[in-house]
Amino acid sequence: EVQLVESGGGLVQPGGSLRLSCAASGFTFSSYEMNWVRQAPGKGLEWVSYISSSGSTIYYADSVKGRFTISRDNAKNSLYLQMNSLRAEDTAVYYCARIEFWSGYHAFDYWGQGTLVTVSS
Amino acid sequence: DIQMTQSPSSLSASVGDRVTITCRASQSISSYLNWYQQKPGKAPKLLIYAASSLQSGVPSRFSGSGSGTDFTLTISSLQPEDFATYYCQQSYSTPPAFGQGTKLEIK
Repeated sequence: EVQLVESGGGLVQPGGSLRLSCAASGFTFSSYEMNWVRQAPGKGLEWVSYISSSGSTIYYADSVKGRFTISRDNAKNSLYLQMNSLRAEDTAVYYCARIEFWSGYHAFDYWGQGTLVTVSS
Repeated sequence: DIQMTQSPSSLSASVGDRVTITCRASQSISSYLNWYQQKPGKAPKLLIYAASSLQSGVPSRFSGSGSGTDFTLTISSLQPEDFATYYCQQSYSTPPAFGQGTKLEIK
């Protein structure tokens, strides 16, 4: 069974830092591209960042570029999001999500349960 | 960046109704369109990928159609467990944008 379990969320002051983790199991983690997607309270879904299976290709949303860093450790079946210079608008539930491919098309086929990040003084 | 717009933003319907939700892309995305269902406090669940392909395990009352800029998600006969928020998402280019969501409520 595919499982993605996020951890590391919590309350942090504006300007602070937090590191999120996503532990993967039930599939060959090193073969899959991964993402972080967030959802502010009562709002819609916002893509945050992407990392290729090897970690060699990375993309960020403009809203987090220069402040967040995505990484992975395939030996530990884990995905990470280092979040620095946090702002109130970064308050959200953060989900890790796996990408699956079908004949050139792709989608987020498995999601973790999410971890809540609250940025407030 | 490609923008995704869903309509309506909210919808009231009854069990057994046929419901259609629309998603429009700001430019052509071919069939690179996915649909997700999200229930309160839960992670999104993939329903439809490539505009019309049903994800494994998803009931056949869900269907998707469209290509280019206009897409629809149809639920043929609403069941109690279908009341949720639905999101479209384009996978044509980075960033992979989501629509703002359509909240489906019980009438």
